[in-house]
Amino acid sequence: IAGITQAPTSQILAAGRRMTLRCTQDMRHNAMYWYRQDLGLGLRLIHYSNTAGTTGKGEVPDGYSVSRANTDDFPLTLASAVPSQTSVYFCASSDGTGLGTQYFGPGTRLLVL
Amino acid sequence: GQNIDQPTEMTATEGAIVQINCTYQTSGFNGLFWYQQHAGEAPTFLSYNVLDGLEEKGRFSSFLSRSKGYSYLLLKELQMKDSASYLCAVKDSNYQLIWGAGTKLIIKP
Repeated sequence: IAGITQAPTSQILAAGRRMTLRCTQDMRHNAMYWYRQDLGLGLRLIHYSNTAGTTGKGEVPDGYSVSRANTDDFPLTLASAVPSQTSVYFCASSDGTGLGTQYFGPGTRLLVL
Repeated sequence: GQNIDQPTEMTATEGAIVQINCTYQTSGFNGLFWYQQHAGEAPTFLSYNVLDGLEEKGRFSSFLSRSKGYSYLLLKELQMKDSASYLCAVKDSNYQLIWGAGTKLIIKP
């Protein structure tokens, strides 16, 4: 593979269920990001990781958690899904330099009922 | 607070030129990015400006004025495949990207 992959492509989830969105990159990028995109709003940063073993909170972190055990993988977990978490989720990575361009995965479309 | 403003929607004719404006107010500035996003797809990188002036890349050009907090993306010789949303994003003092809501560009034959 080349680039960033995300799984699943789409998911319908019952409220209260736990869900992990997967993200894997093979570009050896240091930095990775999770965004959500909602109609009429810009991309909003949920969590980020500047390097393996470290994570940080973005603009909208509540209800989400992440881990970065290695360089390639950056899973996003919804501990107990709520309908307001219905969104399109994009994972991105960059080479971690201050001006590094971010490259995006294909996205996961999540519907919480 | 931090804010990125772009028009919500624009319409242009195939073969013409269109300019998409972006104004920003952010805590610090470490570069401005333009991304293209086709419906149902991921954003893809188009251009990057960190110094004032014009950056040209084929049919696309991007301009930056840091003193005015202003950028534009210029698309020439429009093609139907250019129908997409165009996202403006600024890297702030923490090196995090702040995103505008995007401009949906509709190209008519």
